[in-house]
Amino acid sequence: GAVVSQHPSRVICKSGTSVKIECRSLDFQATTMFWYRQFPKQSLMLMATSNEGSKATYEQGVEKDKFLINHASLTLSTLTVTSAHPEDSSFYICSARDPTSTVPEQYFGPGTRLTVT
Amino acid sequence: AQTVTQSQPEMSVQEAETVTLSCTYDTSESDYYLFWYKQPPSRQMILVIRQEAYKQQNATENRFSVNFQKAAKSFSLKISDSQLGDAAMYFCAYCMNRDDKIIFGKGTRLHILP
Repeated sequence: GAVVSQHPSRVICKSGTSVKIECRSLDFQATTMFWYRQFPKQSLMLMATSNEGSKATYEQGVEKDKFLINHASLTLSTLTVTSAHPEDSSFYICSARDPTSTVPEQYFGPGTRLTVT
Repeated sequence: AQTVTQSQPEMSVQEAETVTLSCTYDTSESDYYLFWYKQPPSRQMILVIRQEAYKQQNATENRFSVNFQKAAKSFSLKISDSQLGDAAMYFCAYCMNRDDKIIFGKGTRLHILP
């Protein structure tokens, strides 16, 4: 199956700093990628849909100025958490859609654990 | 708006036994897709099984099968011959079409008792 990678797998940053998380589709070109946030023992919450070459579509309640998403190429989307605070600590997961699939097929990255101190 | 409900936060099953995880959903669409995803302790999301609403036949993948009741908007997952490696969070999910986002239920944590 298709592979999606995320980097870093875990990151610790100080409050007030920004941190960037990368999501790459390794063996297919992904025109659409998704960013999720997952709190401990909870479900995945969709944050935004990222389309290559255009602005991301954010879900209601997600601060677009705080969670900057860039999808500059068909294999890379980035999520930047700006001016991070402890409440931004969470597990962030990306997924990528295979545009050649005739059915909804999203491949998930392994996730990034963000800890803000 | 579409919703996915999993009413069992946790379940336990003896190794080698069979367990059924429940899921209901709400939609006004006639064509859509339903999924069961597994999230083991590694937290990597793994697709277990997919069901297309227009197909009457229940999907099956080895020890995993679904009971899809379209009129009742029910989509349960049956795991046969449970194995220790089946211990994980299981998420039921819905998607309207190929280009739509996936909506997840709250999940059911499955414990396998040796």
